Amino acid sequence: QKEVEQNSGPLSVPEGAIASLNCTYSDRGSQSFFWYRQYSGKSPELIMFIYSNGDKEDGRFTAQLNKASQYVSLLIRDSQPSDSATYLCAPRGFNKFYFGSGTKLNVKP
Amino acid sequence: SAVISQKPSRDICQRGTSLTIQCQVDSQVTMMFWYRQQPGQSLTLIATANQGSEATYESGFVIDKFPISRPNLTFSTLTVSNMSPEDSSIYLCSVRGGTGELFFGEGSRLTVL
Repeated sequence: QKEVEQNSGPLSVPEGAIASLNCTYSDRGSQSFFWYRQYSGKSPELIMFIYSNGDKEDGRFTAQLNKASQYVSLLIRDSQPSDSATYLCAPRGFNKFYFGSGTKLNVKP
Repeated sequence: SAVISQKPSRDICQRGTSLTIQCQVDSQVTMMFWYRQQPGQSLTLIATANQGSEATYESGFVIDKFPISRPNLTFSTLTVSNMSPEDSSIYLCSVRGGTGELFFGEGSRLTVL
């Protein structure tokens, strides 16, 4: 079983729609959860992180965490073509990050 | 956020040779991390480089293949030794931010022929 599971996609949404990206993880000791965006040929860049159960909003992005279900998600509102990238989920356990293989998002104009 | 510079940004190497990747950070950090991202795959931690001590390697990675130096608090190198085509990857240097997040360098894209 992989430590972090993400649907590889591609997930295609029209411009202006909400994109929903999901992630499950196996390490129950994970305390914090990070979302990274990676454009093709570029290195990952941090979007946001969440520590507590519930929702955390940052601009057009909302991270949702359910530790009991070992589930974390990222919602992107008003999706733009510039959001087209691969999104990596990264739970952090004790001093170590686990990276998912990412979901590729395509936002169609 | 930290500014992390890596060199080279890309290289094409011959089988059996070695390549050293440099990583420079604009601030002093205790730990620097080296990741590998193989084509279409996720990020895998190779090792953690601590200043003044031996690097700590993850399972599946050994010092003879990936020697690391950490001469000061802003600089580290990763060498990929005796390269084979399976070593073709992006190698990423990273550091931890104040709230525990990781910041990454631009990456070094290595192609081994």
